[in-house]
Amino acid sequence: SYVLTQPPSVSVAPGKTASIACGGNSIGSKTVHWYQQKPGQAPILVIYYDRDRPSGIPERFSGSNSGNTATLTISRVEAGDEADYYCQVWDNNSDHWVFGGGTKLTVL
Amino acid sequence: EVQLVESGGGLVKPGGSLRLSCAASGFTFSSYDMNWVRQAPGKGLEWVSTISDTSRYIYYADSVKGRFTISRDNAKKSVYLQMNSLRAEDTAVYYCASDVVAAGTGGYWGQGTLVTVSS
Repeated sequence: SYVLTQPPSVSVAPGKTASIACGGNSIGSKTVHWYQQKPGQAPILVIYYDRDRPSGIPERFSGSNSGNTATLTISRVEAGDEADYYCQVWDNNSDHWVFGGGTKLTVL
Repeated sequence: EVQLVESGGGLVKPGGSLRLSCAASGFTFSSYDMNWVRQAPGKGLEWVSTISDTSRYIYYADSVKGRFTISRDNAKKSVYLQMNSLRAEDTAVYYCASDVVAAGTGGYWGQGTLVTVSS
């Protein structure tokens, strides 16, 4: 089955840029979605189709996808961005959604 | 405003059954796929099942296939998850999610309902 690999944690200072990687075999050939989840809350879609932002998501959130790595980039990080972030794809070989293990973003 | 409200969670013994419901409002329910995703305590997100807009296509995670059944009633704007032969490892918050924003995504999520499987 298809596997998505994320680093367990990423730390960044306020105002700096955070990059969260999502690795998968030829993930560049798939479309990747990203979710933000704060403690005790449901996930929120922050990036879909590799790089598109839903209405209401700040422009500070951006995405890219190429080769074996997709990346969520958060510019000018704020304290309120502290959360768990998950990548997700549709694996058409198994007809399954697949989630990465999640990355905890800590704002120092 | 899009709203998804799950219900039906609770405490059940191993081997027991439970039926979760998710009531939708604020969008044309019959036009979108619906999904169930769960999250065990302190763990990450795990996809459970997807049902297409007309119920023609249904998919399950290997971990629940043969035990769980997803269904929907477009007239009632609701999606369901019938869970049988429950195990301790099924303990989780269960979320329903719609792909209103974009196909293949969880564009909107409910607040979740907790299922605890324990004797």
